[in-house]
Amino acid sequence: LAKTTQPISMDSYEGQEVNITCSHNNIATNDYITWYQQFPSQGPRFIIQGYKTKVTNEVASLFIPADRKSSTLSLPRVSLSDTAVYYCLVGDRGGKLVFGTGTRLLVSP
Amino acid sequence: NAGVTQTPKFQVLKTGQSMTLQCAQDMNHNSMYWYRQDPGMGLRLIYYSASEGTTDKGEVPNGYNVSRLNKREFSLRLESAAPSQTSVYFCASAAWGLAGDDYEQYFGPGTRLTVT
Repeated sequence: LAKTTQPISMDSYEGQEVNITCSHNNIATNDYITWYQQFPSQGPRFIIQGYKTKVTNEVASLFIPADRKSSTLSLPRVSLSDTAVYYCLVGDRGGKLVFGTGTRLLVSP
Repeated sequence: NAGVTQTPKFQVLKTGQSMTLQCAQDMNHNSMYWYRQDPGMGLRLIYYSASEGTTDKGEVPNGYNVSRLNKREFSLRLESAAPSQTSVYFCASAAWGLAGDDYEQYFGPGTRLTVT
């Protein structure tokens, strides 16, 4: 199982773009990269998933370089409600999925 | 459609007691997972079930047993609870998204377990 490394915490202000980078040097060929969001006292919630290049949905973008040894979750124009813990997961879809330690994002007014 | 449900929501045990945490999903998902989350920490995988009748150990399986009773239900048993097992336990199920491109986990609300 590929190990992931993320910053422990990040601070931002409302309206700014936030980029959270995850390092996964030993990612395997079959592994995908998935990001989850977790609010206090709740289970994690799926944000976005990708294999290579760039993926965008209605809430975020995911940038993956050609070597796939890292990935960056981009949250455009964050609001106070985006304050949460963000987890990067790397694994073979349909198999074991292991969470890292996560990044605590604090958005201030 | 309730998604993933867990019972109980809260539980206090004494050291050495046993209990079973129940999890059920109504989304017809094949894969189910049990995680634990200690205060201020990330989630750690305890056990995983790829399909009915199969289970596999995760990162921290010691002290736990699981049972995939059927496709809907995946239970976690603590045979002899220890204070180190005080944690929040999350169950999840997973499947491909509607478009078939994403593989998503859906989490239950969690069970908060305290072992004294």
